Amino acid sequence: DADVTQTPRNRITKTGKRIMLECSQTKGHDRMYWYRQDPGLGLRLIYYSFDVKDINKGEISDGYSVSRQAQAKFSLSLESAIPNQTALYFCATSDWGGNYEQFFGPGTRLTVL
Amino acid sequence: GENVEQHPSTLSVQEGDSAVIKCTYSDSASNYFPWYKQELGKGPQLIIDIRSNVGEKKDQRIAVTLNKTAKHFSLHITETQPEDSAVYFCAAYHFRSGTSYGKLTFGQGTILTVHP
Repeated sequence: DADVTQTPRNRITKTGKRIMLECSQTKGHDRMYWYRQDPGLGLRLIYYSFDVKDINKGEISDGYSVSRQAQAKFSLSLESAIPNQTALYFCATSDWGGNYEQFFGPGTRLTVL
Repeated sequence: GENVEQHPSTLSVQEGDSAVIKCTYSDSASNYFPWYKQELGKGPQLIIDIRSNVGEKKDQRIAVTLNKTAKHFSLHITETQPEDSAVYFCAAYHFRSGTSYGKLTFGQGTILTVHP
């Protein structure tokens, strides 16, 4: 969905490096999410934010941190990357209220050597 | 927390056949159940959803059924076409305890292949 963009789309890095993945959206949504996708494990929630001042841990937040710089921007950081963080990462957004649909970005493929 | 189990992990059908993917959930308070389709190189996209006050919903060749008592829901695709080949995810929406905020828990995904 072009309304949700992620940068970079692909990244190869080494163990111990700090990495930042960025997400921007033009949908005007308050809620933003970071997921990780691994084969056979589906999509697992890392962090989520319901507005600029709200940050919440998901089910697999260890080793990750986030920053909500503005309504439209939500960044995910790996402070010291390790090989088992190699995965496909997705950012998503949703509106508030009774509409629960989430809109996903195109994903970032991260490889940690 | 919520736990969503999805089966099968892979499904191969001939063009024109039907495909069924099943999910179970654990939290009886979950009230919204979407299905997402992920095509190669893209992010997941919502294809159909159902709320807990409805037992079945159809949209052309796809339908979703919900059994709240048994806590399971299923995706049905009829007259499958090669372009239906993708990864499909089910999910359940549940509220954070004591709040009006909620989040989705996804199943493990099903790789559907439709052979011409």
